[in-house]
Amino acid sequence: GGIITQTPKFLIGQEGQKLTLKCQQNFNHDTMYWYRQDSGKGLRLIYYSITENDLQKGDLSEGYDASREKKSSFSLTVTSAQKNEMAVFLCASSPGTGVYEQYFGPGTRLTVL
Amino acid sequence: QQNVQQSPESLIVPEGARTSLNCTFSDSASQYFWWYRQHSGKAPKALMSIFSNGEKEEGRFTIHLNKASLHFSLHIRDSQPSDSALYLCAGDTNAYKVIFGKGTHLHVLP
Repeated sequence: GGIITQTPKFLIGQEGQKLTLKCQQNFNHDTMYWYRQDSGKGLRLIYYSITENDLQKGDLSEGYDASREKKSSFSLTVTSAQKNEMAVFLCASSPGTGVYEQYFGPGTRLTVL
Repeated sequence: QQNVQQSPESLIVPEGARTSLNCTFSDSASQYFWWYRQHSGKAPKALMSIFSNGEKEEGRFTIHLNKASLHFSLHIRDSQPSDSALYLCAGDTNAYKVIFGKGTHLHVLP
């Protein structure tokens, strides 16, 4: 088994601030994802990384940057926090794409003041 | 761009009922289909998957896939209050990413 750790659990920032969310997995999975979930709604893909040296934009990448520092870690940066992006940010990993199940972390809840 | 539509948006059923959740996808090239379940305040967790046309059953849960009609469904037999959750369907795309639907909120009343 393995686990995905997301830090921080809660993140409060000011409008316009640059904020970084971190994700670590010990599954030894190749592929990692960042999703945004607005209250009670579905998941929207922000960035994903198929392998350690790869970075791909999802449908919601504008306003975000991502970095795959090493195989086990994947960070997401909100470049300029906006009040309308208060949401839960979920990190996930999988052994590969498509056929493989994604394993999710507990999420980081972002509040922008 | 791949799109996944789920219906209904919300569903309230009594305990013991048979529940059906539906998903329609836009990309006929999609090959892998998943249902995820997310209990309130928790992370989504994979429930079942199917990769070819037909039906797959696991306990009280059955999934159907019809690639010709681009339709994918989840059926829950003898629904329990513990089944109350947000159900998300997902399918892969040509770009090796997975697209999730907006979800169906299921409430099973005791």
